[in-house]
Amino acid sequence: DTGVSQDPRHKITKRGQNVTFRCDPISEHNRLYWYRQTLGQGPEFLTYFQNEAQLEKSRLLSDRFSAERPKGSFSTLEIQRTEQGDSAMYLCASSLGGGGTQYFGPGTRLTVL
Amino acid sequence: EDKVVQSPLSLVVHEGDTVTLNCSYEVTNFRSLLWYKQEKKAPTFLFMLTSSGIEKKSGRLSSILDKKELSSILNITATQTGDSAIYLCAVEIQGGSEKLVFGKGTKLTVNP
Repeated sequence: DTGVSQDPRHKITKRGQNVTFRCDPISEHNRLYWYRQTLGQGPEFLTYFQNEAQLEKSRLLSDRFSAERPKGSFSTLEIQRTEQGDSAMYLCASSLGGGGTQYFGPGTRLTVL
Repeated sequence: EDKVVQSPLSLVVHEGDTVTLNCSYEVTNFRSLLWYKQEKKAPTFLFMLTSSGIEKKSGRLSSILDKKELSSILNITATQTGDSAIYLCAVEIQGGSEKLVFGKGTKLTVNP
């Protein structure tokens, strides 16, 4: 396993549709993070999993957003009823606990029309 | 609120120049400071700094942390066009998720 992978790389959707993104972390990493990055900004933390448990969510994560990591391996991030303001790059990162470095995937670029 | 500020936001230099990028932070529980390079895709890891005054070096890139001044610098010597990218500074918050708080980044353009 060479790194974090994400799918799809690009997604264009119409306002009001639901979208789901997938992240596959580095295989031995127990920690998984989702971040969102808009143009001209650094990534902003959305949520964090340790194994299958979602332990922290940012207040940026509205009720329309839900994330899962069912078996402590891959994770999905779903956005319901997308809005134009959801257009951003969604980045996934993983790390080995205890201060391990977070390594990022290539991201999913979402465009909401 | 935890905050990371980078300067300058944008920098244009000629190949061969040396550049210094700055990062300052105000956070509640500091664990480490990280530098990433981003080229139209995912941030790629450069350095993690936890101790003040110890320089980390990788080729033409080096970085140092000053915990007294709550800041870090990233130096790039003999810049090349391939160094053109956004350089992101992030602080890892101790406790709980150990999430990263990022600055806005410095966009470096190296012209031939």
